[in-house]
Amino acid sequence: AQSVTQLGSHVSVSEGALVLLRCNYSSSVPPYLFWYVQYPNQGLQLLLKYTSAATLVKGINGFEAEFKKSETSFHLTKPSAHMSDAAEYFCAVGYQERYSSASKIIFGSGTRLSIRP
Amino acid sequence: DAGVTQSPTHLIKTRGQQVTLRCSPKSGHDTVSWYQQALGQGPQFIFQYYEEEERQRGNFPDRFSGHQFPNYSSELNVNALLLGDSALYLCASRRQDLEQYFGPGTRLTVT
Repeated sequence: AQSVTQLGSHVSVSEGALVLLRCNYSSSVPPYLFWYVQYPNQGLQLLLKYTSAATLVKGINGFEAEFKKSETSFHLTKPSAHMSDAAEYFCAVGYQERYSSASKIIFGSGTRLSIRP
Repeated sequence: DAGVTQSPTHLIKTRGQQVTLRCSPKSGHDTVSWYQQALGQGPQFIFQYYEEEERQRGNFPDRFSGHQFPNYSSELNVNALLLGDSALYLCASRRQDLEQYFGPGTRLTVT
């Protein structure tokens, strides 16, 4: 079974500081991993994805994440926070059924990122 | 290129009523998934449609049903609405890989 745990429902950092959002996953098959961002009253936007290529994945807006199989983690980082980064962030694990086109993405409960001036 | 579109943006229904939400996938996408996002929570998978058939379903009751049309657009129907059905309903579309593109959602309020 697949599942995602996001550590910390709310993270607050100062503008210019390092952003670190934690995500651990559980998957019985090689996982596809995603980070999505959601701004208030909007849908989800893909930040980055891991699909078994490079373990360090670079995304949009200066974010990156590292896949660590031994730790079953996929933490999201950004070296320097900007006020516009304030949003809800969701880690997700996806998989595709082996002999069909069916697929599913399972989301974590989200981490709200606040940026202090 | 239009992304995923959903209608309506907001709607208010009364307990016991029925509701239909609509989704048009991103151009070139043939698979549509629906998610329910309650306030303060992550999206929960409802079901997925491909080739006009439901391919996979999450842990939702039969009150939740759907349809996919030949042009790949989709509808989500919810019968006998409960207060707990109040949520943001998200539609997502994809092609071959697992990367899903999400629409802006429909905010459903049940009173």
